[in-house]
Amino acid sequence: DTEVTQTPKHLVMGMTNKKSLKCEQHMGHRAMYWYKQKAKKPPELMFVYSYEKLSINESVPSRFSPECPNSSLLNLHLHALQPEDSALYLCASSQETGSRVDEQFFGPGTRLTVL
Amino acid sequence: AQSVAQPEDQVNVAEGNPLTVKCTYSVSGNPYLFWYVQYPNRGLQFLLKYITGDNLVKGSYGFEAEFNKSQTSFHLKKPSALVSDSALYFCAVRDFPIKAAGNKLTFGGGTRVLVKP
Repeated sequence: DTEVTQTPKHLVMGMTNKKSLKCEQHMGHRAMYWYKQKAKKPPELMFVYSYEKLSINESVPSRFSPECPNSSLLNLHLHALQPEDSALYLCASSQETGSRVDEQFFGPGTRLTVL
Repeated sequence: AQSVAQPEDQVNVAEGNPLTVKCTYSVSGNPYLFWYVQYPNRGLQFLLKYITGDNLVKGSYGFEAEFNKSQTSFHLKKPSALVSDSALYFCAVRDFPIKAAGNKLTFGGGTRVLVKP
């Protein structure tokens, strides 16, 4: 299985809602990533989890809260978002042995609209 | 800091003609370079990477890239473009040195490729 899955595919939420994005991979990868991508722009890194521990937080606002329950799952909890947070949220994973340069495998993304 | 630049926002090419998408890089240390492709409303798909060794890297779907250290470039190429190659292409550079606790991938601005029949 060489796939990263993300749910839901689309999400519309109000600024007072609480929602979660989910990401799953069964490739045995030990690093997982959240990216935010605006239309026609490159992905921007938000968080990196390495061996289920948060290793990189790119100064993301606290209204985004990541969680890594186990080595296969990655969640992004959303609360009190702003309309400018509307974007495609991409999850990725990589082998991350620490001594190799491995490519990242990306999921299809969740298209988030904040009203 | 690592960075990559893609000087062309869009490349237009006729089907069957050679396709080149340009990328230049700026790194402190060894360059670990990647190409990804993104089709509309989809995630990114890995095409190829350069770590070390042969300057010509072969990848998926008939794509290849040429690493040129003196010109700090990593251009993506395909000898004969297909209409289905129309997509958004991203060059990216990886952290150096490799860190055990997570590594960043920094993307270029992207180049839209339009292959016309």
